[in-house]
Amino acid sequence: IVLTQSPGTLSLSPGERATLSCRASQSVAFRSLAWYQQKPDQPPRLLIYGVSSRATGIPDRFSGSGSGTDFTLTISRLEPEDFAVYYCQQHGTSLLTFGGGTKVEIK
Amino acid sequence: QLQLQESGPGLVKPSETLSLTCAVSGVSLDLSGHYWGWIRQPPSKGLEWIGSVYRSGATYYNPSLTSRVTISVDTSKNQFSLNVTSVTAADTAVYFCVRLGEEYQPLLHFDLWGQGRLVTVSS
Repeated sequence: IVLTQSPGTLSLSPGERATLSCRASQSVAFRSLAWYQQKPDQPPRLLIYGVSSRATGIPDRFSGSGSGTDFTLTISRLEPEDFAVYYCQQHGTSLLTFGGGTKVEIK
Repeated sequence: QLQLQESGPGLVKPSETLSLTCAVSGVSLDLSGHYWGWIRQPPSKGLEWIGSVYRSGATYYNPSLTSRVTISVDTSKNQFSLNVTSVTAADTAVYFCVRLGEEYQPLLHFDLWGQGRLVTVSS
């Protein structure tokens, strides 16, 4: 399954709402999608699993939704530490795949 | 505290074998029901899953890499390893060792990551 993330770059100000899209080339198995955040020179960090469950320690301004081929990560109000690259990942098939990433940058 | 730490050569010559080890601390591999794995990220690019291994030695691999990749586990040393044969410049990447997010699930999200090890393929 190919995951296409959009936009490639999102330029926003602190306090604004961020909406990131992840579209799959075919339907993703039930609850088989996760989201990660990666900052420069750091490993990715799990944010959301099972489409909408927040990982341990993740603040509630992060939320995930979607089904089938269309998924969304929403950051309700951007904090300075949220500017980073975000990846989606599916695990509904025997080949685990990631999207190409969306960079959220400070406007 | 559960931690993963990659180690191994940072420079490998073309056509040779890339070998990395992931030391696990904070949990005993032979008591853990989790799968463990490797992911790589070429410089300034996205993420690619390489494969996953269980304490029994059972493995799952990315089909595009399966002919060149071996992932193994050594519970006596509490570590697991990655070998990639016949490397080329395209194998240059940061290699992360990871834990799969739930016990007994080989194909899942990744809830724990090592810091990563940059491996450059160059003569």
